[in-house]
Amino acid sequence: DTAVSQTPKYLVTQMGNDKSIKCEQNLGHDTMYWYKQDSKKFLKIMFSYNNKELIINETVPNRFSPKSPDKAHLNLHINSLELGDSAVYFCASSQFGRDGEQFFGPGTRLTVL
Amino acid sequence: GNSVTQMEGPVTLSEEAFLTINCTYTATGYPSLFWYVQYPGEGLQLLLKATKADDKGSNKGFEATYRKETTSFHLEKGSVQVSDSAVYFCALSDPNAGGTSYGKLTFGQGTILTVHP
Repeated sequence: DTAVSQTPKYLVTQMGNDKSIKCEQNLGHDTMYWYKQDSKKFLKIMFSYNNKELIINETVPNRFSPKSPDKAHLNLHINSLELGDSAVYFCASSQFGRDGEQFFGPGTRLTVL
Repeated sequence: GNSVTQMEGPVTLSEEAFLTINCTYTATGYPSLFWYVQYPGEGLQLLLKATKADDKGSNKGFEATYRKETTSFHLEKGSVQVSDSAVYFCALSDPNAGGTSYGKLTFGQGTILTVHP
């Protein structure tokens, strides 16, 4: 059983397009995250939701809009894609109040042409 | 604010060599410390963790000890295998952080390890 799943695994698109990445977790966690990993493997948090409410919003262009329809899902919509958005995007989940351990999805490799 | 510094990579070793990846941290409270591993083409997996000073985390032959006096959490393995080739991330979570920092993991920059037969 996959704990944290993401779709799609690969996404290739043109500059200026709008795209979405979906994330689902079946661990019963109440907190979910989006991370961006660049080509040098550096990992940067973008957003965090706890019980469907935004709690972390790092300095991210407002072209990126997360949406959490329920505790098990956190989607990421990106408008007007730019070349610099090419990266691997990871979703993660955790249980608020525990020791901070997070469980990661397999990643979505986004390539903007 | 909190920060994690890992030793620069990439690291290249021969099979059965000894591995150390250094990690030091800066935190205002008493953080929990983690090592995550990312195998090629996959997401991050928790390798081991320690939640208080002098705790030793261990898994799959890897171990790390939470040293508060030196603010370090160095990863070690006595004999690496080709299958250990991956990117290793040190991270901390500060349970005393409030507001928008609560639950946030602060990652180091990652260390790429390649093990040759």
